[in-house]
Amino acid sequence: DSGVTQTPKHLITATGQRVTLRCSPRSGDLSVYWYQQSLDQGLQFLIQYYNGEERAKGNILERFSAQQFPDLHSELNLSSLELGDSALYFCASSVAGGGTGELFFGEGSRLTVL
Amino acid sequence: GQNIDQPTEMTATEGAIVQINCTYQTSGFNGLFWYQQHAGEAPTFLSYNVLDGLEEKGRFSSFLSRSKGYSYLLLKELQMKDSASYLCAVYGASGGSYIPTFGRGTSLIVHP
Repeated sequence: DSGVTQTPKHLITATGQRVTLRCSPRSGDLSVYWYQQSLDQGLQFLIQYYNGEERAKGNILERFSAQQFPDLHSELNLSSLELGDSALYFCASSVAGGGTGELFFGEGSRLTVL
Repeated sequence: GQNIDQPTEMTATEGAIVQINCTYQTSGFNGLFWYQQHAGEAPTFLSYNVLDGLEEKGRFSSFLSRSKGYSYLLLKELQMKDSASYLCAVYGASGGSYIPTFGRGTSLIVHP
């Protein structure tokens, strides 16, 4: 158990819909990272938050947005969903703001868009 | 940007030794990680190298050469449970921060 909690574990929805994925980092960790992992693809970095503020942005689509709340949990919002958005979405946390430290991954949220 | 290359798949025999290579190109470098990921599960941390040389941790060792942009993960005394994907990740500069960029992973199949 990494100490990172993600909900929901599984989600099935239709094209055009909107979903919200939630992540609670390990106690004491200030950084949250979101990654997308499609079938046979590596982990694609989406976005990082540190202590409530956006720190770095990857190839995140405009249809996707995220935020980190004062209690440090984070949410990833995916809207106007397309079939290609079906993937495993991981959240990871670390103590530091960036550039050092091991990432601790949650178990992921598996999104299926039909 | 970052570019990370590692072999797609490797096979090995139980009890043997296997070396998984990773080469990278990055703007800025602040460390290299290896993670293990079983299918459908979360990646779990194996090792971290920030300076050149070998880091040993039980059956697993990781080597880094920053000048060559090269790392390898060495797994000894292979067990069936070592069948998994092994991800190389590099902390590289992105904007004003360093972010971990992952390779596509090497799928290791251990057979009896």
